[in-house]
Amino acid sequence: DQQVKQNSPSLSVQEGRISILNCDYTNSMFDYFLWYKKYPAEGPTFLISISSIKDKNEDGRFTVFLNKSAKHLSLHIVPSQPGDSAVYFCAASQGGGATNKLIFGTGTLLAVQP
Amino acid sequence: DAMVIQNPRYQVTQFGKPVTLSCSQTLNHNVMYWYQQKSSQAPKLLFHYYDKDFNNEADTPDNFQSRRPNTSFCFLDIRSPGLGDAAMYLCATSREGGAAKNIQYFGAGTRLSVL
Repeated sequence: DQQVKQNSPSLSVQEGRISILNCDYTNSMFDYFLWYKKYPAEGPTFLISISSIKDKNEDGRFTVFLNKSAKHLSLHIVPSQPGDSAVYFCAASQGGGATNKLIFGTGTLLAVQP
Repeated sequence: DAMVIQNPRYQVTQFGKPVTLSCSQTLNHNVMYWYQQKSSQAPKLLFHYYDKDFNNEADTPDNFQSRRPNTSFCFLDIRSPGLGDAAMYLCATSREGGAAKNIQYFGAGTRLSVL
């Protein structure tokens, strides 16, 4: 049973427009959410995160929105650039100890067309 | 630059022949993780080390073992690889405690093929 779901395997956007990547989760105990970006032949790299006590976090062109009642988060990229083309993974964690386990979604391949 | 390095990047082994994948880090993080990622699937945590304390996931097969001889290195041993073990294996590290424990830093991965 997948606790973190990314239902769109791929997304294509024109350069300069907004990219919106979506993620749903089922476990209401998750208290921290992250987005990772992965280029081919590289490992995932951390992009942006949000704690469950917030509903928005912004970092430059990247904004993550969290809707706890809907168990949904989204990543907005504005404006989208060709260099943003990559696979984006949503991940969630549940706190409580010194270490944390991340539960990942299956990823969304974003293609930004010049 | 501080980083997480996995060797080799590609590994081919024969069915049933033991194989070891390695991971090293210069971040001096206490926690190291091993994930398995199959094609079009989410990375799945196999186990992690908090310092020398080993934490196995309940559904990780006994065929998978790990060693962490020191802070910098961690190894994944697959004792008898089956065809179903062909996957990308990702190593990651993180700090302990606070919000920092949530952010993991990944290596580029080792793609394992089993013939």
